[in-house]
Parts: sequence; structure tokens; C-alpha cells
Amino acid sequence: KQEVTQIPAALSVPEGENLVLNCSFTDSAIYNLQWFRQDPGKGLTSLLLIQSSQREQTSGRLNASLDKSSGRSTLYIAASQPGDSATYLCAVRPAGNTGKLIFGQGTTLQVKP
Amino acid sequence: DVKVTQSSRYLVKRTGEKVFLECVQDMDHENMFWYRQDPGLGLRLIYFSYDVKMKEKGDIPEGYSVSREKKERFSLILESASTNQTSMYLCASSSSWGLLEQYFGPGTRLTVT
Repeated sequence: KQEVTQIPAALSVPEGENLVLNCSFTDSAIYNLQWFRQDPGKGLTSLLLIQSSQREQTSGRLNASLDKSSGRSTLYIAASQPGDSATYLCAVRPAGNTGKLIFGQGTTLQVKP
Repeated sequence: DVKVTQSSRYLVKRTGEKVFLECVQDMDHENMFWYRQDPGLGLRLIYFSYDVKMKEKGDIPEGYSVSREKKERFSLILESASTNQTSMYLCASSSSWGLLEQYFGPGTRLTVT
């Protein structure tokens, strides 16, 4: 059974710091991996999607990498800002599945001014 | 721009009431999903649908039913609401082709008293 783990559960950093959020999954048979952002009381916003054949994706200050064989993904945030404070969730789509995502518990990030 | 909307942001219902949560997407997506999100348990899939009038059970379907009469609309029904169904409910949609990226609505915070 696929399980997704995100460590740490919470992170507090000063503004301007570069940081890495981690996501690990137990079964390497995935179709893709998606990173989301969730603000308190709100829905999920898709940040980046990495296909199983890709190694990384970039969007602005965000860079997500994928190492399928070791079951790991990282989300790198450069030059963090207070507006980046949110919960970040990763989710894997198992291979051969119609659409179900398996979510991690999330990492809650606080960026202090 | 991609758009998933949910009928209510906040809802308060009494135990035993029948509750309808509606989700509408404007992207002509084949797949639609209902999740619930609870502290410490993360996001869990309740039901999903990959076509009109088609549905499949997710991880926690007990106490819920769904309806998809039109492609753009997916309804979640709580036949007889109970206090343990107090939660944040999130709807999502995705295409059956290409990246299969999943897009989420803003969520409905349901309180059952």
C-alpha cells in the first residue's frame, strides 16, 4: 500500500532563507507527483507537477525534484518570503490508476519577517 | 483560468439532516473527486467519478453517496448527517488525458451539531 510521508511537520525560518521540504513515498510505481499549497481554511493550490519520467520542475522561486527509485521528492523554495507561509502538501498518483492521489500529511511553513 | 467552485464555504447542519454539497468545474474534465480533510488524518478520498453517472468508492465512502448527472457537476450527499462528519470537504477535478493534474475548489467547512 502506497504511503506518503512529509518531514518535518512544521518549519519556521527567517525571511530570505532558502529551504527544502521533503516528501517520501513507499512504492516507486507512480504516474506523477504533485506539490500543493494550502492556506488556512482554504482549498489546495497546485504548485508543481512532476511526471514519473522527469527529474525536476521549476516555477519561479520553486523547484521540485523527483527521485523515483529512492521514493523521494523535494520542494526547494528560494529566498523565502512571509507570503510563502502556508501548508505544503505532496501527493503521488499511483501508476495505472484512474486518478486517485495519495497525500502526505503536509509541512506547515512559517516565514518570519 | 481553471475553476472549481463549491456551493458553500461554510455550512452548519443538525444531526440527522440530509446534506448536499455541490461542486462545479468549468474545464470539461472527465474526473471529479470528493475528499475530506481532518487534522491529523490528512486528506482522504470519499468518492470519485470518471464519467457522467459513473462513480467509484474511495477510502471512506461510508455514510456518503454521490451523484453526477452532468459532466461539470458532482454532488456529495450525506444521507443522515452525524457529528463525526464535521470536517472540511474538498472537491477536485482532472482531465483523463495529459498531465492528469488535479485542481481543487475552495472547500466547504461543514459543522454538524
